[in-house]
Amino acid sequence: DGGITQSPKYLFRKEGQNVTLSCEQNLNHDAMYWYRQDPGQGLRLIYYSQIVNDFQKGDIAEGYSVSREKKESFPLTVTSAQKNPTAFYLCASTEGVTEAFFGQGTRLTVV
Amino acid sequence: ELKVEQNPLFLSMQEGKNYTIYCNYSTTSDRLYWYRQDPGKSLESLFVLLSNGAVKQEGRLMASLDTKARLSTLHITAAVHDLSATYFCAVDGGRSGGSNYKLTFGKGTLLTVNP
Repeated sequence: DGGITQSPKYLFRKEGQNVTLSCEQNLNHDAMYWYRQDPGQGLRLIYYSQIVNDFQKGDIAEGYSVSREKKESFPLTVTSAQKNPTAFYLCASTEGVTEAFFGQGTRLTVV
Repeated sequence: ELKVEQNPLFLSMQEGKNYTIYCNYSTTSDRLYWYRQDPGKSLESLFVLLSNGAVKQEGRLMASLDTKARLSTLHITAAVHDLSATYFCAVDGGRSGGSNYKLTFGKGTLLTVNP
């Protein structure tokens, strides 16, 4: 089945630690996205990538980094510069004007 | 900057009743999407509206788009408990080249359907 796989489902980060969230898609979509969702809020765009080896900052990119070395993969690193990283992170992909397909999400908690 | 506003943000309704959720947006766009999110889960696509006057229906839900008014509605007919969820609208933020786009989401409407 085609889809988007995010891992891990739950992630705990210590203060000052970098962590990486995985996102893999087998839909052959060109574009991939990372969103952050805080409780009771909508989704805010962190980074997006239209093609391999290219990506752009979204609305809240500070403290995050990404790479797009392969079409099917778009990992997100939450760095120690992100002071409030506790949130639900969603990866998505699109092709043209079709709707965005979302992964199941990663819930990140600072401990 | 594109802004998307949904109202109401909270909606409690009885089974069997009808209601409408509104989605207003601030800049010209003819691409609007509705999603459903259950607690602790990801987003599920409901409707894709790609032109002025577009209307889509699935079961008890019907979505429409008026690009001139910059307004989309999600109408619920004869609500049932299974429709309880958070509903988001998202608007295409404009193209930056090629076939890709950015989405701006509303804050969501938390719908609770009571027996």
